[in-house]
Parts: sequence; C-alpha cells; structure tokens
Amino acid sequence: AQTVTQSQPEMSVQEAETVTLSCTYDTSESDYYLFWYKQPPSRQMILVIRQEAYKQQNATENRFSVNFQKAAKSFSLKISDSQLGDAAMYFCAYRSAKSNYQLIWGAGTKLIIKP
Amino acid sequence: DAGVIQSPRHEVTEMGQEVTLRCKPISGHNSLFWYRQTMMRGLELLIYFNNNVPIDDSGMPEDRFSAKMPNASFSTLKIQPSEPRDSAVYFCASSLGAYSYEQYFGPGTRLTVT
Repeated sequence: AQTVTQSQPEMSVQEAETVTLSCTYDTSESDYYLFWYKQPPSRQMILVIRQEAYKQQNATENRFSVNFQKAAKSFSLKISDSQLGDAAMYFCAYRSAKSNYQLIWGAGTKLIIKP
Repeated sequence: DAGVIQSPRHEVTEMGQEVTLRCKPISGHNSLFWYRQTMMRGLELLIYFNNNVPIDDSGMPEDRFSAKMPNASFSTLKIQPSEPRDSAVYFCASSLGAYSYEQYFGPGTRLTVT
C-alpha cells in the first residue's frame, strides 16, 4: 500500500525568506501524480502544485516549486519570498495513475511566517 | 466559476439529531467526493460519486452515514443519529472527470455534536 510521510509537523520562516517542506512517499508503481495542497485558517483546501511522475522537469507555480526526486521517492515544496498569506497547513498527496480518484494524504506541515 | 459550494459552514447539534450537509459541485464536473477531517485521523475519503453514481463508499464509517447525489449539481451527506465522535470538518470536492487529476475542494462544514 502506498504511504505519504511529512516528517515536519511544524516549520517557521521569516517573511521574504525561502522555506522547504519535505514529503516522502512509498510506492511500487512507476506512474503516479503528486500534489501539494494548502489549507489556510479559513479551512479551504487549495491545490498549490502538482507533478506527474513521468515528467523529469520539476513543476513551478510562481513562488512555489518542487524538487521531485523519483528514485529517492521525495517530493519537497519550496516557497520563495515567503509572505504572511502563505501561513497555513500544507499537505502532500499521492495518487496512482491506476486510480482515478483515491488520494493518499500526508499528515501535514504547519507553516508559520514570522513578520 | 463559483467553486464548490457547501452549506452550512457551521453546524452545532445535539447527540441523536439528524444532520444533513449539502454540496454543489463545480458546473461540468462529474466526479464528487466527500471527505472528513479530524486531528486524529487526518483527511479520510468517505464516498466517491461518478456521474451521480456511488462508486466507492468503503470509507463511510457506519450505517448512520448516508450520501446521495440526485443530480449532477447537488449532493447530500446525512448522519442519523449523530454522535459526539462525528464532530469534524466535512469537505466536498469535485473534479472534471474520471481521469482528471485535480480535485477542487469546498470550504468545508464544521460539525459539532454535543
């Protein structure tokens, strides 16, 4: 069975600095998708970025980028120029290409932004 | 687009009462998901609908929980009778199709059962 592990329950970063959130996963499959979701205090789950396992290029969305290491089964999220609005819980999630719906979730990392 | 709409945003009820949570998916999306989030168990998938048909309800905790999707623009999750351990945030999410890899979440309903 696939598992997703986020080993950092909480991280803090100074405003305008860069922070990296870690995520590792375990799977025997070669084709899958990885996601980072953000959950601010408003509770809404917001998709931040996704990565297809067959793509070697790391996904980037504005200040958010990932470091996808397929062999190491690692999928970290880098947030550049951190802003107060980035404060939230961040969840890493995995989905097999064989499944059209089942997301496997990590436990989440709480990101604190220091002004 | 209005996004996924859920109501109510907050619900406080007494043990034994019936609770109905509502969801309107994004127009054009034909997959709908109900999740429950608690501190202890994180995010759990309760049930998945595709084209209004329940495909996987293995996550529904027990018979007290039921979900319906009478049409493409509306779904309900009902708990009857409710218990204090049902207190959680319930999310509805939708996606474009069976092979879409992005799920869009609603704002959630915070349920408190006293």
